[in-house]
Amino acid sequence: DGGITQSPKYLFRKEGQNVTLSCEQNLNHDAMYWYRQDPGQGLRLIYYSQIVNDFQKGDIAEGYSVSREKKESFPLTVTSAQKNPTAFYLCASSIELAGDGTGELFFGEGSRLTVL
Amino acid sequence: AQSVAQPEDQVNVAEGNPLTVKCTYSVSGNPYLFWYVQYPNRGLQFLLKYITGDNLVKGSYGFEAEFNKSQTSFHLKKPSALVSDSALYFCAVSPNNRLAFGKGNQVVVIP
Repeated sequence: DGGITQSPKYLFRKEGQNVTLSCEQNLNHDAMYWYRQDPGQGLRLIYYSQIVNDFQKGDIAEGYSVSREKKESFPLTVTSAQKNPTAFYLCASSIELAGDGTGELFFGEGSRLTVL
Repeated sequence: AQSVAQPEDQVNVAEGNPLTVKCTYSVSGNPYLFWYVQYPNRGLQFLLKYITGDNLVKGSYGFEAEFNKSQTSFHLKKPSALVSDSALYFCAVSPNNRLAFGKGNQVVVIP
């Protein structure tokens, strides 16, 4: 079945460590996104990518990095510079051939990161 | 800047009664509006969207939403709520490819 796979589902990290969250999609979508979800704050956009080898900062990119070397993959690295990394991270994709925002997002199941 | 407001933190409704989840938006240009639902510790699932055309949009699981341009609202509705509708509901707006989400409304359907 087509979909988005995020791994790991749960991750624990010590302060000062970088951690990479995986996101893979087999929907043949051009656009991919990373959101952060905190209780009572909705979803906030970290990074997005409309095409391979290109990505843009979202609203809260500081302390995060991404790469888009393949269409199917959009990994997110949470660096030690991120001051409050404990959160639920959601990856999404959309067709977005026109990039006009009319396509709905398809979400993965999320990765919950806890910093000890 | 585009934004979405979901004024109520939690919506309680008895099973079988009508369900309404409110959303108002602020955007320059034509708004593209979306509703998503999230079950605990899961990703979001798309319910419906308004791009253009008929102001009443029908979506998944019996949900519908009405676009009201004069009131800048896009309220989600279901005529008869089910216990299984209990979840977190998000409204989102996008005139481009950067969706802005509301903070979400917790819906509790009481048996």
